[in-house]
Amino acid sequence: SYVLTQPASVSVAPGMTARITCGGDNIRTKNVHWYRQKAGLAPGVVIFYDVDRPSGIPERFSGSNSGNRATLTISRVEAGDEADYYCQVWDSANDHWVFGGGTKLTVL
Amino acid sequence: VQLVESGGGLVKPGGSLRLSCAASGFSFDSYNMNWVRQAPGKGLQWVSSIIGRTSYTYYRESVRGRFTISRDSAKNVLYLEMNSLTAEDTAIYYCARDSDISQHPAYNWFDPWGQGTLVTVSS
Repeated sequence: SYVLTQPASVSVAPGMTARITCGGDNIRTKNVHWYRQKAGLAPGVVIFYDVDRPSGIPERFSGSNSGNRATLTISRVEAGDEADYYCQVWDSANDHWVFGGGTKLTVL
Repeated sequence: VQLVESGGGLVKPGGSLRLSCAASGFSFDSYNMNWVRQAPGKGLQWVSSIIGRTSYTYYRESVRGRFTISRDSAKNVLYLEMNSLTAEDTAIYYCARDSDISQHPAYNWFDPWGQGTLVTVSS
């Protein structure tokens, strides 16, 4: 089945840029969605359809998807961005939703 | 729009449990609905989906034949019937709605999510 690979952790200083990757075979052909999960809370979408932001998500959050890698970019990182981030795609070959393993973003 | 899960608890290996997700604030039978679980300290794992207008169902392989997803459109409730439970099923179970009215899952994402209900399988 389709596998999404994320780094376990990413650390960044406040004000810098965090990039969280999501690797998958020819992932550029899929719609990638990104979720943020803060400690003790349910996940919420931050990017859908590779690049789109829902209302309420700041412009600092952006996405891209090409080749075998999708990327969530968080600019001007703030302490409040600390969370676990997950990518998600629909695996049409197996009629399954697939999540990446998740990336813990630490703000130094 | 609100999703509220219930029915979690402690169950012995081999036992059964039925989770419920009460939906409000939207046209329940028009949306695909989903169950996602998260084992303690682990990542998100999709469990099952049910399509809005057809009630067609999808399952991950490890729960197929043991779990049954269903919906009661009169009560606006999503269910997950879980049988033959093992320790590996221990997790917080979230229900989540598809982002848009019934279309193929490939065109949607999950929004919103409920707060989750904890299932613990232990003797």
